Amino acid sequence: NAGVMQNPRHLVRRRGQEARLRCSPMKGHSHVYWYRQLPEEGLKFMVYLQKENIIDESGMPKERFSAEFPKEGPSILRIQQVVRGDSAAYFCASSPPEQQETQYFGPGTRLLVL
Amino acid sequence: DAKTTQPNSMESNEEEPVHLPCNHSTISGTDYIHWYRQLPSQGPEYVIHGLTSNVNNRMASLAIAEDRKSSTLILHRATLRDAAVYYCILLILTGGGNKLTFGTGTQLKVEL
Repeated sequence: NAGVMQNPRHLVRRRGQEARLRCSPMKGHSHVYWYRQLPEEGLKFMVYLQKENIIDESGMPKERFSAEFPKEGPSILRIQQVVRGDSAAYFCASSPPEQQETQYFGPGTRLLVL
Repeated sequence: DAKTTQPNSMESNEEEPVHLPCNHSTISGTDYIHWYRQLPSQGPEYVIHGLTSNVNNRMASLAIAEDRKSSTLILHRATLRDAAVYYCILLILTGGGNKLTFGTGTQLKVEL
């Protein structure tokens, strides 16, 4: 059973461009979480999704950020018009419906905005 | 969310046991105590969790104080691969998702 997969692992964007981060949860996991880790800081919750639904987006910036988890395919975290302050590591985690207390994390996507 | 307090860093020698403390004096009756760790340049990894009783698994043991205001993660024989940041997190299990609130954690250094 493959773990949580994220791609790309590294992403470089210029200011104003769009960044798309993908997360494939573990097989059978229907719950996906996104976290952001700024340099030298701890992880901060961004959004929690189940298939086709956003359940909790209390940690998402109000503008430029969006997330989806379609019926088919990976979860996508989209950042429009990136700024230098968006440079961070973005981690995705998944959990199965019967074991929601444990989250399995992916290796992260490191976004660098020039 | 209830807060946790951990030392910023700890050091250990390889093959020795390590006791990582966590204070959570404002814990409520429904809070589970979770531990995750993050190795350099990797995503966090689940270690162990418990509610009231001590817990053991293949990675570690979790000792929970009788009043639940503190807990200790025990690595029985530290190896170089255990060098990581260890996070103690309180979690209320809800049907609306279980977002983890990470603090600054404890940086564990393991030396030969």
